[in-house]
Amino acid sequence: KAGVTQTPRYLIKTRGQQVTLSCSPISGHRSVSWYQQTPGQGLQFLFEYFSETQRNKGNFPGRFSGRQFSNSRSEMNVSTLELGDSALYLCASSFEGFTEAFFGQGTRLTVV
Amino acid sequence: GENVGLHLPTLSVQEGDNSIINCAYSNSASDYFIWYKQESGKGPQFIIDIRSNMDKRQGQRVTVLLNKTVKHLSLQIAATQPGDSAVYFCAESRIGSFKTIFGAGTRLFVKA
Repeated sequence: KAGVTQTPRYLIKTRGQQVTLSCSPISGHRSVSWYQQTPGQGLQFLFEYFSETQRNKGNFPGRFSGRQFSNSRSEMNVSTLELGDSALYLCASSFEGFTEAFFGQGTRLTVV
Repeated sequence: GENVGLHLPTLSVQEGDNSIINCAYSNSASDYFIWYKQESGKGPQFIIDIRSNMDKRQGQRVTVLLNKTVKHLSLQIAATQPGDSAVYFCAESRIGSFKTIFGAGTRLFVKA
């Protein structure tokens, strides 16, 4: 059974640009959550999607957005990148959203 | 974003000893708790979970204890092995909120 796949693994962007990250959940999982991980702030919840609907979101500015497609694949977008957006972005999938979650390896975003 | 702490406590144990990792959670309304293990370069990996109607749950070599009175969670690892060296995160959620808040993490070093 394939795990959670995140693409790309590494990304370097310039301040002011925008970026789109992709997450393919485990087959059959309909819940996808996104997290930002930094050394200073730890793992912080961004948002959760289930059946193409955002069910909750964390305290991040509107520059951070996401969506989920009918096949449960999810994307997150960050617009007008800032240096502080440099982080490891992780997605996790689960069957319903409050059961065991499986994480991908993450996308390492560096903003220069 | 929500900040659950800036410090990363470190626990160093001898191979074969038992490890106890502690976590204080923040929301008395949380009713679902999870422990994750994160190795370098990888996403967090689910270890064990517990719901608020229980105070103890055992897995293979791991036990989670929940004390709702003082909002405390602990992870006990029996016969710690070098492969257990990683950062361990506790996480809390309220079933139906679809939002998971992670603790700051504890780094476990296992000395051979």
